[in-house]
Amino acid sequence: AQTVTQSQPEMSVQEAETVTLSCTYDTSESDYYLFWYKQPPSRQMILVIRQEAYKQQNATENRFSVNFQKAAKSFSLKISDSQLGDAAMYFCAVFQAGTALIFGKGTTLSVSS
Amino acid sequence: KAGVTQTPRYLIKTRGQQVTLSCSPISGHRSVSWYQQTPGQGLQFLFEYFSETQRNKGNFPGRFSGRQFSNSRSEMNVSTLELGDSALYLCASSLYRDAGMNTEAFFGQGTRLTVV
Repeated sequence: AQTVTQSQPEMSVQEAETVTLSCTYDTSESDYYLFWYKQPPSRQMILVIRQEAYKQQNATENRFSVNFQKAAKSFSLKISDSQLGDAAMYFCAVFQAGTALIFGKGTTLSVSS
Repeated sequence: KAGVTQTPRYLIKTRGQQVTLSCSPISGHRSVSWYQQTPGQGLQFLFEYFSETQRNKGNFPGRFSGRQFSNSRSEMNVSTLELGDSALYLCASSLYRDAGMNTEAFFGQGTRLTVV
């Protein structure tokens, strides 16, 4: 069974600084997808970034980038130049064919000015 | 393009009652998945429907059921409500069944169910 672990229940960062959220996962498959979702107070889950396991190159989306270490089953999210609007709960998730998105417990990120 | 619409947004029910939640996916999307979100358990997968057929089911009791209509709209039903069913219920739609393989899963804003 797939599992996702986010070891940091809460993180904080100052505006314009960089923060890294950690995620480890376990899956028996070689072909899978990894995601980071953001859930602001509005509760709307928003996809931040995705990574295909077969790709060695780390995904980037503007200020968001990942550090994907397949052998270590690690998938961390780096947020650069943090903004107040980045404050939210962040969920790491893994997906493989025939199953569903499996989420970690989430990391609450607060951003201070 | 309208997003995923979940109704109602808030619901208060009494223990023992039943409840039906609705999810309208993005136009053209055929896959709908349901998740239960609680502070203690996080996000847990309930079930997935594609083309009116349940394709996948999570580890929830039979009190939780769902269906999908020909227009891809989906409903989930919880019978004999328990206090522990209080949660945010999220629906996600995607174009194809294997959301994540080639397409993104888009989430609704959820229905907050409170059982008293």
